[in-house]
Amino acid sequence: GQQVMQIPQYQHVQEGEDFTTYCNSSTTLSNIQWYKQRPGGHPVFLIQLVKSGEVKKQKRLTFQFGEAKKNSSLHITATQTTDVGTYFCAGHAGGTSYGKLTFGQGTILTVHP
Amino acid sequence: GAVVSQHPSRVICKSGTSVKIECRSLDFQATTMFWYRQFPKQSLMLMATSNEGSKATYEQGVEKDKFLINHASLTLSTLTVTSAHPEDSSFYICSASPQGANNSPLHFGNGTRLTVT
Repeated sequence: GQQVMQIPQYQHVQEGEDFTTYCNSSTTLSNIQWYKQRPGGHPVFLIQLVKSGEVKKQKRLTFQFGEAKKNSSLHITATQTTDVGTYFCAGHAGGTSYGKLTFGQGTILTVHP
Repeated sequence: GAVVSQHPSRVICKSGTSVKIECRSLDFQATTMFWYRQFPKQSLMLMATSNEGSKATYEQGVEKDKFLINHASLTLSTLTVTSAHPEDSSFYICSASPQGANNSPLHFGNGTRLTVT
């Protein structure tokens, strides 16, 4: 079945440093979504990428979707303590059943002030 | 918009008892809802897809007789953990997308932390 791998599992940074998490799928994705889960909270949708090579920005966050639609990345510039949490990528494989997402393992980000 | 409410947020029960978790879409209709399970510092594992008016679709390895799912209306799905055991202790989260929005983002409930003693 489809697998979505995400690295690194953990990332500790000093406030102000940049952070990147990478996501790779074993199959071509129709789209990829990114979610953030704060400690003790539930996943919250950040963004969806659909097109090959697509790049989207949300303030300090930059999301990329690979040309082959099998990988993606999330980059945070100048991290802040509010960025702490677990970042998940999640993908829909081409032709997959409605709404069924496969989540990556997540990257737990810790930001030291 | 697109709010999903989940109840209860925490529950402690004794081994052998059953626990029901409710998932409601408050401002949209959801023909499909999803139930996930999450262990500490791990990813979300899809347990089953709840379909309004029909049987749920369970993922491989998930016991349908242990995790009963009922989706009786377009705004409510319930997950019942039957004869709970300590190994069932986990964080259970439901999610849904607005009806007809294929491949649209999921909106998650706040989750239910189940502790079985």
